[in-house]
Amino acid sequence: DVKVTQSSRYLVKRTGEKVFLECVQDMDHENMFWYRQDPGLGLRLIYFSYDVKMKEKGDIPEGYSVSREKKERFSLILESASTNQTSMYLCASTSGGTGGLETQYFGPGTRLLVL
Amino acid sequence: RKEVEQDPGPFNVPEGATVAFNCTYSNSASQSFFWYRQDCRKEPKLLMSVYSSGNEDGRFTAQLNRASQYISLLIRDSKLSDSATYLCVVSGTSYGKLTFGQGTILTVHP
Repeated sequence: DVKVTQSSRYLVKRTGEKVFLECVQDMDHENMFWYRQDPGLGLRLIYFSYDVKMKEKGDIPEGYSVSREKKERFSLILESASTNQTSMYLCASTSGGTGGLETQYFGPGTRLLVL
Repeated sequence: RKEVEQDPGPFNVPEGATVAFNCTYSNSASQSFFWYRQDCRKEPKLLMSVYSSGNEDGRFTAQLNRASQYISLLIRDSKLSDSATYLCVVSGTSYGKLTFGQGTILTVHP
């Protein structure tokens, strides 16, 4: 079974803090993704990575950065947290190959509250 | 216009009912289509892929109409355990990048 884990289920931070969200997958997947999910807006893609040290902006990258130093680990960084970044953050991974036909496997999510 | 649009519901149906969800997508170059299910406070999980010929998995039937850019999901003989949010998902061209609809909430009651 594919397992995607995220470092925290719940996180409370203060405005201006630097926040690190970690994601690890154990299936040697090439592609990893970070989404945020908000009521009424659904899941929106922040960043994704298709290989170690490679990253691509998603639909809403502003205020975020990412790091992928190892294949199994994809980190999302909030450089200076703001209240509008309060959200559920979901990491996902998928194997490479047939360009969109593979299942995306999600982690359990991190609920971030920025005060 | 949103790339993937769904009726957010909520749909409240009795056990045993048949319920249908619809979804439209705007990018005619989209290649792959899926329905994901998300339980309350849980992560999304793949329910089924959607093919042009239509496909069925037990009580669930998915249909794709490329000409109309329309996807549907039919659930027959609803169970209490079917209560969840159903996400219509469309794939672009590379790296498994997905675009999600906002989801349709289904509640099945006794």
